[in-house]
Amino acid sequence: QKEVEQNSGPLSVPEGAIASLNCTYSDRGSQSFFWYRQYSGKSPELIMFIYSNGDKEDGRFTAQLNKASQYVSLLIRDSQPSDSATYLCAVTGGTSYGKLTFGQGTILTVHP
Amino acid sequence: DAGVTQSPTHLIKTRGQQVTLRCSPKSGHDTVSWYQQALGQGPQFIFQYYEEEERQRGNFPDRFSGHQFPNYSSELNVNALLLGDSALYLCASRTTGSMAQYFGPGTRLLVL
Repeated sequence: QKEVEQNSGPLSVPEGAIASLNCTYSDRGSQSFFWYRQYSGKSPELIMFIYSNGDKEDGRFTAQLNKASQYVSLLIRDSQPSDSATYLCAVTGGTSYGKLTFGQGTILTVHP
Repeated sequence: DAGVTQSPTHLIKTRGQQVTLRCSPKSGHDTVSWYQQALGQGPQFIFQYYEEEERQRGNFPDRFSGHQFPNYSSELNVNALLLGDSALYLCASRTTGSMAQYFGPGTRLLVL
């Protein structure tokens, strides 16, 4: 079992729709959860992080965390073509304190 | 506010050679981590430096070594390069009070 798994892509949504990206993790001691956006040929950019169960909203982005289910998600409302990128889920804490363990990424395409 | 910087941006080496990559952390950050990202994969943790010492290490051979300087900048050294070392090498920095890591633009290494 991979430590961090993301829903297989690619994911394609129309402009203005909600994009839903999902991630599960295996280390129950994980404490911090991150979403990075990576445009083709560029480095990962931190867009959201969440530490507590529940929802955290930042503009068009909402991160959701359920530690009991070991599940974290990212919702992008009113998706724009500029949101087209690879989204990486990362976790830290527990046995991997201080280091980020990444999923393989989900490619999102927002078409006009 | 200066972000994370890395040099060089691109590098071409041949098998068996040695390479040194450099990183300056974001202003105010004191902890530096290095990651390797192969094409189509999430970044893989190499090691983390804090107070000029290696604090954590991922599953990478001893050919990969590093250093952190008193000004918090860091170097990644790779000896006896293999074709499989071709990847994007990412430096990330954070403060000790936060788990959020911010990435530099990366160094793309090609081993021929």
